[in-house]
Amino acid sequence: SQELEQSPQSLIVQEGKNLTINCTSSKTLYGLYWYKQKYGEGLIFLMMLQKGGEEKSHEKITAKLDEKKQQSSLHITASQPSHAGIYLCGAVSGNTPLVFGKGTRLSVIA
Amino acid sequence: DAGVTQSPTHLIKTRGQQVTLRCSPKSGHDTVSWYQQALGQGPQFIFQYYEEEERQRGNFPDRFSGHQFPNYSSELNVNALLLGDSALYLCASSLRLGYGSPLHFGNGTRLTVT
Repeated sequence: SQELEQSPQSLIVQEGKNLTINCTSSKTLYGLYWYKQKYGEGLIFLMMLQKGGEEKSHEKITAKLDEKKQQSSLHITASQPSHAGIYLCGAVSGNTPLVFGKGTRLSVIA
Repeated sequence: DAGVTQSPTHLIKTRGQQVTLRCSPKSGHDTVSWYQQALGQGPQFIFQYYEEEERQRGNFPDRFSGHQFPNYSSELNVNALLLGDSALYLCASSLRLGYGSPLHFGNGTRLTVT
């Protein structure tokens, strides 16, 4: 079965700083999804990547899927307190259901 | 346009009891998936319903069962509750034919088993 490893597990950054979260898959990724979760709440869809080398941006968040389609990164530029939360990568492989990594907990301090 | 709604938001049950959680999918969606999220972990897939049938199932015991109704809403039932069943239960909806389309999640039901 597919496994996703996220790094780091947690991150504390100062407001205004850039940061990167990584997601590595044990298998080729056919669809990679990034979600954000506020503590104890539901998941909010951020971006979906399907093609090797694909890059998407939304506001100050950029996600990339590497050429070999086994790793993705999420980059936040000039972090703000509103970026705080848990970032989860999810993946599908063929007809499998969406599986998730354990998440990266982000704190942004003033 | 209402998103995915789940009820109740919080629930406290005793070991051995049974619980039913409910989910209404986003308008236009026909597929419902259920996930269990333990504290500090990522969501774990329980099962998926489409056309009122269970289509896929994760590694969960038969104590976990579900149902989908003609209006696409769904229920998750858990029998003989264990302390380890305490978790956030998330419902997600999607469009079956929209392969690759993202799942839309509700805010979850927080289940505490004492």
